Amino acid sequence: GAVVSQHPSWVICKSGTSVKIECRSLDFQATTMFWYRQFPKQSLMLMATSNEGSKATYEQGVEKDKFLINHASLTLSTLTVTSAHPEDSSFYICSASSRAGTGELFFGEGSRLTVL
Amino acid sequence: GQQLNQSPQSMFIQEGEDVSMNCTSSSIFNTWLWYKQDPGEGPVLLIALYKAGELTSNGRLTAQFGITRKDSFLNISASIPSDVGIYFCAGAGGSGGSNYKLTFGKGTLLTVNP
Repeated sequence: GAVVSQHPSWVICKSGTSVKIECRSLDFQATTMFWYRQFPKQSLMLMATSNEGSKATYEQGVEKDKFLINHASLTLSTLTVTSAHPEDSSFYICSASSRAGTGELFFGEGSRLTVL
Repeated sequence: GQQLNQSPQSMFIQEGEDVSMNCTSSSIFNTWLWYKQDPGEGPVLLIALYKAGELTSNGRLTAQFGITRKDSFLNISASIPSDVGIYFCAGAGGSGGSNYKLTFGKGTLLTVNP
């Protein structure tokens, strides 16, 4: 299947700092990528849809100023957690589709964020 | 919004046994997907289903897209220890929803005793 890679795999930061997570599609171009958040023993919750060259679309209840998304190229989307707090600690996962309109999404390895 | 009910929530089985899990929805989907997630990893796509009634296999895994487009099941035959993990169903499209946006079930935790 298509390969989606995230970096970093895990990050620990101090409260109040900002953290950037990268999501790359390695062997295909993705005009649309998705960012999910997953708490322990829970399912994946969609945070936002990242569109190449335009603003991201955020799900209800997700603060766009808190979770900045940039999709500057067809192979890279970034999620920046600004002024992180302990409650932002979570597993963040991105996904992308290699075939338009199929719903067949491939996921990155995930990034574990721990805010102290 | 669209919701998926996935069951069972967890399963404890002996190696070699067959496993079945399913998802039902209050609304229709155009695509049903089944993923497996290992601890600390992202979900890995197992099977994708695109047509109502479609039955698809991937090795020891078999999944079906329900005729009503509101349900799907996943079967695992002759389970092995490496089948351990969390299995998620996901639906996309249908009922006015985007074909890109997935709605996930809550997952089935599978434990296989050697």
